[in-house]
Amino acid sequence: AQSVTQPDIHITVSEGASLELRCNYSYGATPYLFWYVQSPGQGLQLLLKYFSGDTLVQGIKGFEAEFKRSQSSFNLRKPSVHWSDAAEYFCAVAHNYGQNFVFGPGTRLSVLP
Amino acid sequence: GAGVSQTPSNKVTEKGKYVELRCDPISGHTALYWYRQSLGQGPEFLIYFQGTGAADDSGLPNDRFFAVRPEGSVSTLKIQRTERGDSAVYLCASSPGASGALDTQYFGPGTRLTVL
Repeated sequence: AQSVTQPDIHITVSEGASLELRCNYSYGATPYLFWYVQSPGQGLQLLLKYFSGDTLVQGIKGFEAEFKRSQSSFNLRKPSVHWSDAAEYFCAVAHNYGQNFVFGPGTRLSVLP
Repeated sequence: GAGVSQTPSNKVTEKGKYVELRCDPISGHTALYWYRQSLGQGPEFLIYFQGTGAADDSGLPNDRFFAVRPEGSVSTLKIQRTERGDSAVYLCASSPGASGALDTQYFGPGTRLTVL
């Protein structure tokens, strides 16, 4: 069965600092990979997704993620964090033929002024 | 344009009661998903509709849970004989349906269900 782990439950960074959120998945083949953000009082929003090709994908709000097959990882990065980035971030995986999405437990990001 | 809406926003019920949760997807979206999100967890897939049919209901935890989408738009998640463990936020998402799993899912604000 597919699984997604996000090792960091909570991360705190200062505004303007760089950010990396970790995601590891367990799946037999290359899955479809996603990062979502959930801000307080708002619905989940897709940041970016990967399915093939260039392993570095760009998303909205200045985020990017890199797929590393050898490490089964899909880490999310941002070079300079803004206070508005404080939210919960979820990594998700899906089969390349199915619609059963599996989400990780999430990483809560706090941003210090 | 209008996003995904869910009603009610909050539902409090007693153990053993029946509840219905409604999802209005974005107009024209053929794919619709239900998820359940418990406190401190990521969303847990429940069921996926393509049009009127449930294409994947492998996430429904047991036969107390059922979902319908009779006209291919609005969907209702039905929970019979509710248990305290059913307390969670129930999320609905829709997508255009043309690109399968690669379609962007648009999530609603959720219905918070509390079973006393």
